[in-house]
Amino acid sequence: DAGVTQSPTHLIKTRGQHVTLRCSPISGHKSVSWYQQVLGQGPQFIFQYYEKEERGRGNFPDRFSARQFPNYSSELNVNALLLGDSALYLCASSFLPLSGNTIYFGEGSWLTVV
Amino acid sequence: DAKTTQPTSMDCAEGRAANLPCNHSTISGNEYVYWYRQIHSQGPQYIIHGLKNNETNEMASLIITEDRKSSTLILPHATLRDTAVYYCIVRLLISNFGNEKLTFGTGTRLTIIP
Repeated sequence: DAGVTQSPTHLIKTRGQHVTLRCSPISGHKSVSWYQQVLGQGPQFIFQYYEKEERGRGNFPDRFSARQFPNYSSELNVNALLLGDSALYLCASSFLPLSGNTIYFGEGSWLTVV
Repeated sequence: DAKTTQPTSMDCAEGRAANLPCNHSTISGNEYVYWYRQIHSQGPQYIIHGLKNNETNEMASLIITEDRKSSTLILPHATLRDTAVYYCIVRLLISNFGNEKLTFGTGTRLTIIP
């Protein structure tokens, strides 16, 4: 079975540009979350979507946005990129956000802003 | 979510049991303890989770103290491939399709020595 898949795996952008990162959850999983991991730190929660609705938002500026599609895949968009947005962006999925479920992560998208 | 405290780094000889401690003294009764690990440049990998009973799976064992204020992850026969950053996370689980957020700390960098 395929795990959480993310694309692209690596990309380089220039300051001020926009980026779109994509995520396909594990088959049957309806909840998708996004995390940012800056070098040397643990992942930080950005968004969670369930059934195409935003269920949680971390402490990130409005330049960050996301959405979930009818097939439960998701996009993370970042506008007006800053050098500090350089990080590993992780997508995670789970079957249902109920007690005892497990969250599974993809391998991430490495974003470098120059 | 309750905060966790882990040692910054640990070494373990190959073939020996690796015991990774985690303190979560402010944990509440409906919070689970989750363990993930992250091998360099990869997405976090789920290891195990528990509420109050000890748990074991094919990867590891989780020992939770009776007062639930601390826990220990045990890798019974460490191999070089177990070298990674290990994260202990306390997660509040509520059945309202929300709160998939995982709060990562800086984790324990475990190095398996040949």
